[in-house]
Parts: sequence; structure tokens; C-alpha cells
Amino acid sequence: EAGVVQSPRYKIIEKKQPVAFWCNPISGHNTLYWYLQNLGQGPELLIRYENEEAVDDSQLPKDRFSAERLKGVDSTLKIQPAELGDSAVYLCASSLGLFTSGLTDTQYFGPGTRLTVL
Amino acid sequence: QKEVEQNSGPLSVPEGAIASLNCTYSDRGSQSFFWYRQYSGKSPELIMFIYSNGDKEDGRFTAQLNKASQYVSLLIRDSQPSDSATYLCAVTTGGGADGLTFGKGTHLIIQP
Repeated sequence: EAGVVQSPRYKIIEKKQPVAFWCNPISGHNTLYWYLQNLGQGPELLIRYENEEAVDDSQLPKDRFSAERLKGVDSTLKIQPAELGDSAVYLCASSLGLFTSGLTDTQYFGPGTRLTVL
Repeated sequence: QKEVEQNSGPLSVPEGAIASLNCTYSDRGSQSFFWYRQYSGKSPELIMFIYSNGDKEDGRFTAQLNKASQYVSLLIRDSQPSDSATYLCAVTTGGGADGLTFGKGTHLIIQP
């Protein structure tokens, strides 16, 4: 079974430029998450989707970050304009969902996109 | 604000010994607890989860949960050099489908 797919794996941009990350979850997984991980820190949730609905975007900096999951499958996370402090690894994860798995619902992570803003 | 605390380490353990990793959490409403392993430059991979008080064993790994003390631990028996990694503790209040709140991770080094 294919895992969570993310692209690109690495991205280097100059500040104030836009950037987009793409994620394709594990087939059949209804819930999709975007996390940000800074060096030496644990991942921090940015947004969570249940199918195509963003059910938790409280930690997403909405002035520059946006995300979409139009058909309830793959998702795109965008930053516009990027700032130096956005340099980090952006992780996508997916799970079957609470209504399927309950307390044992498990998130599986993709390989991440390492963003460097110069 | 939910907080998950871990000692960042490094924790150095001789090969073949038991490695003990600890985690405390602040939200008493937390229901599910996960341990992930993350190798340098890689993404987190699930080791195991636990949601009932007590111990849960999976091969060389044992997770321990004490909700009264708000404490989770991971024991690794017969530690191998390949176990050297950062171990992330994560908790959630609504089952795993909620966003996970992670600790900073403990860097474990298994000395050959």
C-alpha cells in the first residue's frame, strides 16, 4: 500500500515569493493534516480536514497561509508571501478518521517538504 | 493550552540495555497517546499507541500510561544501535483523528 505522498521534497525560494506544497494521502483515509516542524521541535498542527471540510484551522496563519482539499482527496498548502521564519519542514499526515477508528485512529506521515526561505 | 513535555536529551544507553523515555502532558482530557520515532532528516513513524491505563507491549517496546499522574512512558528492551533516533510523544483529546500535540522529542543514542 502506498504511503502519504508529498511534493516537492525540497524547495528553496526567496522571501516574499509564493510557494505551494502538495499532498496525496493514503487511499481511503478521510482525515488529512498539515503540520509544520521546526528544527529540534515536534510537529505543530496547522490544519485538519475531514474529507473536504477544514474542521480545525485555528493554528493556520491565515494572513499568508491557505490550504484546500477540493475533492476530499489530495490537498495543497500555500504560503504567499513567504517570510524567512517560514523555513521549516512541512509534513502532511492522513488517517482513516475518528468515526472509523475511534481512539485508535492513527496518523501516518508523509516524507515532508523542506522549505528554505532566503 | 495543551502541553507535552519531554526531556530533550540526549539519552545515552548501552546496547542491549533498556531505554526508558518519559513524557508528561497537561490536558487531563487527553484520551490517546502515541509514540513516534523520527530519524534525522526523516518523517515521524508510528511505534505504538495506548489509551488505557497500564502497560501495552509490542515486541521490544512497552508503552505505559498513568492518567492520574498524566504520565506516559516508552520502554525499549534489548536496545539496538538502530534504535538511535528522536522519540516523539504525542497526545490527543478526541482520539487519533484530532490533531496531535507533540512534545519536542527525546534524542536517544544507543552506544555499541
